[in-house]
Amino acid sequence: DIQMTQSPSSLSASVGDRVTITCRASQGIGNDLGWYQQKPGKAPKRLIYAASSLQSGVPSRFSGSGSGTEFTLTISSLQPEDFATYYCLQHKSYPQYTFGQGTKLEIK
Amino acid sequence: EVQLVESGGGLVKPGGSLELSCAASGFTFGTYTMNWVRQAPGKGLEWVSLISSSSSYIYYADSVKGRFTISRDNAKNSLYLQLNSLRADDTAVYYCVRDSTTPLGYWGQGTLVTVSS
Repeated sequence: DIQMTQSPSSLSASVGDRVTITCRASQGIGNDLGWYQQKPGKAPKRLIYAASSLQSGVPSRFSGSGSGTEFTLTISSLQPEDFATYYCLQHKSYPQYTFGQGTKLEIK
Repeated sequence: EVQLVESGGGLVKPGGSLELSCAASGFTFGTYTMNWVRQAPGKGLEWVSLISSSSSYIYYADSVKGRFTISRDNAKNSLYLQLNSLRADDTAVYYCVRDSTTPLGYWGQGTLVTVSS
């Protein structure tokens, strides 16, 4: 099984900060990775697919990069509505998809 | 607009059964692979099951294999998950999720299943 390790597990930041979240795969997954945002009591929403492609309608302050085993999600300038939990997902090992454990982004 | 609306969740005793449904609209349901993903209270996300567009391919996570059954009715634009032999650790919000360019692109709002005596 492919394991996904996210870091940090939690993060405090301020509005306007640049934030980076990392996901590492236990083996190479090419660019078969997505990033999701989840707010309390709501369903996850996909932000990034294929490691670096921005989902339609998602603000351009979100970006993804990486390939192989190391991936990053960057928010260039945090907005109040960005405080949420973020998950990565690998789908290389179709259909045994695995998520990272999540990163909770909180207001400092 | 893609809409996925889950229903059928509730409180069930250990060993009991439940059937979840997902009503799809806003797209040609019969051309997309569909999934169920769950989230235990306060925990992360776990992929549960997948069914291809014509039901030719069906897969399950090891944690539910032999107890859960996924199915779909393309004429009714509906996805189902039959949950049998339920355990306390099956307690979760269950999401209906559609593939898009890559897997797990669009999510419903979820339905809560609570397994407790």
